[in-house]
Amino acid sequence: KQEVTQIPAALSVPEGENLVLNCSFTDSAIYNLQWFRQDPGKGLTSLLLIQSSQREQTSGRLNASLDKSSGRSTLYIAASQPGDSATYLCAVRFYNQGGKLIFGQGTELSVKP
Amino acid sequence: GAGVSQSPRYKVAKRGQDVALRCDPISGHVSLFWYQQALGQGPEFLTYFQNEAQLDKSGLPSDRFFAERPEGSVSTLKIQRTQQEDSAVYLCASSLVGGPNTGELFFGEGSRLTVL
Repeated sequence: KQEVTQIPAALSVPEGENLVLNCSFTDSAIYNLQWFRQDPGKGLTSLLLIQSSQREQTSGRLNASLDKSSGRSTLYIAASQPGDSATYLCAVRFYNQGGKLIFGQGTELSVKP
Repeated sequence: GAGVSQSPRYKVAKRGQDVALRCDPISGHVSLFWYQQALGQGPEFLTYFQNEAQLDKSGLPSDRFFAERPEGSVSTLKIQRTQQEDSAVYLCASSLVGGPNTGELFFGEGSRLTVL
């Protein structure tokens, strides 16, 4: 079964710290991987999409890397701010899954002022 | 519209009632997905449309769940004879292209269903 795992489930850091969120997946045969942010009671906001041929993508203070062969992706957040507090979800589009994304359980991030 | 629009945002139903949830995707988007999200969990896939064709309904939990997209734009997810375990947030997402690599997915705000 193709699965996506995110560790840790929750993370609390002081403001200003650089941090890394981890995502692992069980099959290297993927089209792409997408990182989302979800605020309480809200839908998902797309942060970054990495195609299988890419190693990383950057948007502002966010950088996502992809190591397909080892089944891992990381989301790096530089100089964290209280406004970054949210749940971060990783989702993978595997071959033979007909286009759907398979999600991890998410990492709930709290940035303390 | 500018984004994916879902209605109603909140729905309270008595056990046994039928409900209908609506999704209006981004204009021109070919692919449309429905997901179910329980509290504290990641979204779980329900069904996928490419234009009006329902290509994958493997995630629908029972035959009480039915989805349609008759004209290839707006979609409706219908749940018949609701049960308490159906309580969840139902998320709709769309993407510009179809096929096995549907590209970046854009989500709506979700419809929160509570079954009493």
